[in-house]
Order: sequence, then C-alpha cells, then structure tokens
Amino acid sequence: NAGVTQTPKFRILKIGQSMTLQCTQDMNHNYMYWYRQDPGMGLKLIYYSVGAGITDKGEVPNGYNVSRSTTEDFPLRLELAAPSQTSVYFCASSYGGQGWDEKLFFGSGTQLSVL
Amino acid sequence: AQTVTQSQPEMSVQEAETVTLSCTYDTSESDYYLFWYKQPPSRQMILVIRQEAYKQQNATENRFSVNFQKAAKSFSLKISDSQLGDAAMYFCAYRSANNNNDMRFGAGTRLTVKP
Repeated sequence: NAGVTQTPKFRILKIGQSMTLQCTQDMNHNYMYWYRQDPGMGLKLIYYSVGAGITDKGEVPNGYNVSRSTTEDFPLRLELAAPSQTSVYFCASSYGGQGWDEKLFFGSGTQLSVL
Repeated sequence: AQTVTQSQPEMSVQEAETVTLSCTYDTSESDYYLFWYKQPPSRQMILVIRQEAYKQQNATENRFSVNFQKAAKSFSLKISDSQLGDAAMYFCAYRSANNNNDMRFGAGTRLTVKP
C-alpha cells in the first residue's frame, strides 16, 4: 500500500523562486493536510482540505497556496520563497470522521532549504 | 488557543528498561483527544497511542501506555521493556473533539535507547 506519497524528498531553492510540493494519497481519504516542522518545534498546520474543491487556512498559511482538484492530490505551492520557509513539510490525510479513533496518515516529508 | 508542552527535549533509556515521557497541555475544552506520535529517522510519523478525554481508563498498546490526568492536564507516555527500535522523536498532540482539522503538536522529545 502506497499510503501518502510526497515528492520531492529534498529541495534547495533560491530566495524568490517558486515551487510546488506534491502530495497524493490512495486511501480515498476526504481530509488532507499540510504541516511544517521547524527544528526543535512541533508540527504546525499550514492548510487543510475537507474534500475536492474545498480548502482552508491553518495556523501558518502566509506565503503558501493550495488547491484540491481531486480527492487524491493536494499540492502545496510556495511563491517567492523566503529563508523563513526553510523547514520540513509533511502532508497527511485522514478519512475525516469525528470519532476518537480518527487517525492521521503521514507522508515521509520534504526537506526544503531556501538560501 | 490550545498549547502542548513537552518539557524534556531529550531522554535516554537503557535497553529493556522503562522510560516515561512527559506532556502537558492547556485547554478550556472538556472533550478532546490526545495522541503520541513517533518519528524515527525516516521522518515518517507513526501513531503510537491515543486517548479520549472522557475516558478515565488509561490507554495501553502493548509496551506503550499512558498516564492521563485530566485535572492536571497531563498525558505522559510510558514505554516498557525499551527496544533499540524505540529510538525516535516522540510528539504529544492534542485535538479538539469539535474540530478535527486542528491537531496541536508539542515540540517533541528525542529518545535514545542504549544497548
């Protein structure tokens, strides 16, 4: 089972460049999330989506954009990359239920450096 | 806003011994869920154990158990019979029962297991 797949695994950007982090899941999950993990910090939610065509901001959305045209894919776009966006980015998905056993499935992360 | 605090940046345990990782959280809600996630060097986030706030009984998953003290807002993780494969970053996380789109993570505890 592939689960949640993120590409690329590593990337170096120059200040002002743009890029798209890809995320796809094959579990037919409704909910998808983008988190960033800074050194010594926990994960912070950037954007999330509750279904195709529906997205919303999380805790730290500035400098990012997302789209959700299909259930499977949830790309994260960085426009005008800045050093503050150097981080490890995680995509996650879940079925979307409200129950206590709702589980997040994570991708393996993308390490991004902006120099 | 809910916050999650892990006061131990690093912990060390001898193989086969027991170790407890601490987590406290701040919330005004009465219904919520708590989680421990493991992040090995592969960066993949793996759910270790979860607890419903309205359940007084502490959750247990094989060698992993929690000590949930709702009044004290404390949620510690006990790992018994530690194994080399337990070495990882461990993140405590909180999620409101009313909003499954907002998982709050602590800064993590790096666990080292000595052979």
